[in-house]
Amino acid sequence: DGGITQSPKYLFRKEGQNVTLSCEQNLNHDAMYWYRQDPGQGLRLIYYSQIVNDFQKGDIAEGYSVSREKKESFPLTVTSAQKNPTAFYLCASSMFEFREQYFGPGTRLTVT
Amino acid sequence: GQNIDQPTEMTATEGAIVQINCTYQTSGFNGLFWYQQHAGEAPTFLSYNVLDGLEEKGRFSSFLSRSKGYSYLLLKELQMKDSASYLCAVLDSNYQLIWGAGTKLIIKP
Repeated sequence: DGGITQSPKYLFRKEGQNVTLSCEQNLNHDAMYWYRQDPGQGLRLIYYSQIVNDFQKGDIAEGYSVSREKKESFPLTVTSAQKNPTAFYLCASSMFEFREQYFGPGTRLTVT
Repeated sequence: GQNIDQPTEMTATEGAIVQINCTYQTSGFNGLFWYQQHAGEAPTFLSYNVLDGLEEKGRFSSFLSRSKGYSYLLLKELQMKDSASYLCAVLDSNYQLIWGAGTKLIIKP
């Protein structure tokens, strides 16, 4: 079955710790994205990547970092510099940049 | 600034029809998307409009008027499983996707 996987579904961390969220896709899509979703707000783009070894900052990249060493994988690191890291994080991919996007199940991160 | 407006919440009855509106002010336009998102789950793609008019896909239809900066999603023969949030997103002239906050649709028996 083709799709996008994110793990874990729930993640708890102490303030001051970096944490890496995984995102893997087997859809053979070139473009991948990371979004953050907070209650009452639209999805906000953190980073996106069109091809391997290349990525661009989205609207709220501060405090986050990514890598794209393989086409299938686009992990997101939430660093201790992110002021408000508690949120629902969604990874997505698309065949072409910013066309129909397929989303993973999301990771709910809680930092205390 | 760029802005997408949708009603925060709507309520409808099972078996009825509901129309969810989306108005946008963006720098340019390269298409409008509708996604469905059940609580705690990932959004799933419903429709994509780039030309004016109505696109029908089963019980769901999406309409676009570029001159008015307006779209709606029409859901017919509502089922309980249609209870979800419906997200409108616009692709602007820089191919940046601008998302609305979503409309929570509550279906009552």
